[in-house]
Amino acid sequence: TQLLEQSPQFLSIQEGENLTVYCNSSSVFSSLQWYRQEPGEGPVLLVTVVTGGEVKKLKRLTFQFGDARKDSSLHITAAQPGDTGLYLCAGALGGNYQLIWGAGTKLIIKP
Amino acid sequence: GAVVSQHPSRVICKSGTSVKIECRSLDFQATTMFWYRQFPKQSLMLMATSNEGSKATYEQGVEKDKFLINHASLTLSTLTVTSAHPEDSSFYICSARYLGDYGYTFGSGTRLTVV
Repeated sequence: TQLLEQSPQFLSIQEGENLTVYCNSSSVFSSLQWYRQEPGEGPVLLVTVVTGGEVKKLKRLTFQFGDARKDSSLHITAAQPGDTGLYLCAGALGGNYQLIWGAGTKLIIKP
Repeated sequence: GAVVSQHPSRVICKSGTSVKIECRSLDFQATTMFWYRQFPKQSLMLMATSNEGSKATYEQGVEKDKFLINHASLTLSTLTVTSAHPEDSSFYICSARYLGDYGYTFGSGTRLTVV
């Protein structure tokens, strides 16, 4: 069974604080994607990481892919209320294009 | 680019009726589309993989006869929920792989309520 464990599942913090979301697996992924989903909407792709050890930055968001391509993290610096949403990680095993999804992290940033 | 348009966004139907959900890739050809179901506050659950011109591949536990998938062209896939029951009420989302970006683009989802 291919699993992608995402933690924490719920996080509520004050504006200005930093946070990190983790996704871990025993499977090796050809790529790993991070999505953000608003209520009643489909997920929106934030970033794709492909190379082991890769780090990508998107303004205050920093994404890292583990050296072995089994894990990834999302770090948000100085969180804003606009960052509130459901964050999902998804790993691609390659070939069949199917994604293995994390359980999601419900993030609430309080003003 | 890489936009998937999903319709309708919301539908309410009576028990026993059928509902069709459409997913169109607007600016690219999607040979493969994925249909997901999402329960409140939960992650996405893959229901089936839709391949243009061939039969869909269903995940274990998903009833093929209840969730009919048709992928007749490179830009359109449909999911029909047949003989809907209240337990079929959920948020259904389609997606397609956008080859140029190692990512998947998603439709905006359909909120199905069966009464």
